[in-house]
Amino acid sequence: QLQLQESGSGLVKPSQTLSLTCAVSGGSLSSGGYSWSWIRQPPGKGLEWIGNIYHSGTTNYNSSLKSRVTISVDKSKNQFSLKLSSVTAADTAVYYCARDSPGIPFDIWGQGTMVTVSS
Amino acid sequence: QSVLAQPPSVSGAPGQRVTISCTGSSSNIGADYDVHWYQQLPGTAPKLLIFGNTNRPSGVPDRFSGSKSGTSASLAITGLQAEDEADYYCQSYDSSLTGFVFGSGTQVTVL
Repeated sequence: QLQLQESGSGLVKPSQTLSLTCAVSGGSLSSGGYSWSWIRQPPGKGLEWIGNIYHSGTTNYNSSLKSRVTISVDKSKNQFSLKLSSVTAADTAVYYCARDSPGIPFDIWGQGTMVTVSS
Repeated sequence: QSVLAQPPSVSGAPGQRVTISCTGSSSNIGADYDVHWYQQLPGTAPKLLIFGNTNRPSGVPDRFSGSKSGTSASLAITGLQAEDEADYYCQSYDSSLTGFVFGSGTQVTVL
């Protein structure tokens, strides 16, 4: 059964870059038809889609974050990553990785990882 | 401010039926993009509840049902149970924003 697991720094200083990785187990990230997304949820607030990537490397980003976001894939390690630059306190959130396919979106989620932006 | 509007909260007694609305616009739900629903229990990751407007993934009880009309969609929970207390989010695609969008979320309370 496919599983996703986020990892990365839980505390990031303002103006620095947030870096997270999502490890895919129980299946291949290169399986056709799927894309791999990052979604975040600030404390006590709703969900926000950050962007996604296909195994080919094609990416799509939330227009409100596009200037600061980079999502990449490492097929050899079966994982994909998120980098968010110039972070502020507003970027404090639980960050989730998730799988989606046409017609059946976000069907598998990681458990989420809390990232706090603070000096 | 979320692109898809949901009521902040709904409540009902055990066994009752509750509905959650999700109101969008001509660039998302009204543009015939599918609506999906997620259930988020406290302290856990969201779980896909309804996909493609009306379809339930394997394992989701048939007490949950979805519908869509025009620029809105709805999630209905019949035979409300204590375990249904959670936050519920709708989700779709927006052609103006060229990306996925979520609703503002609705907290369901079982009285």
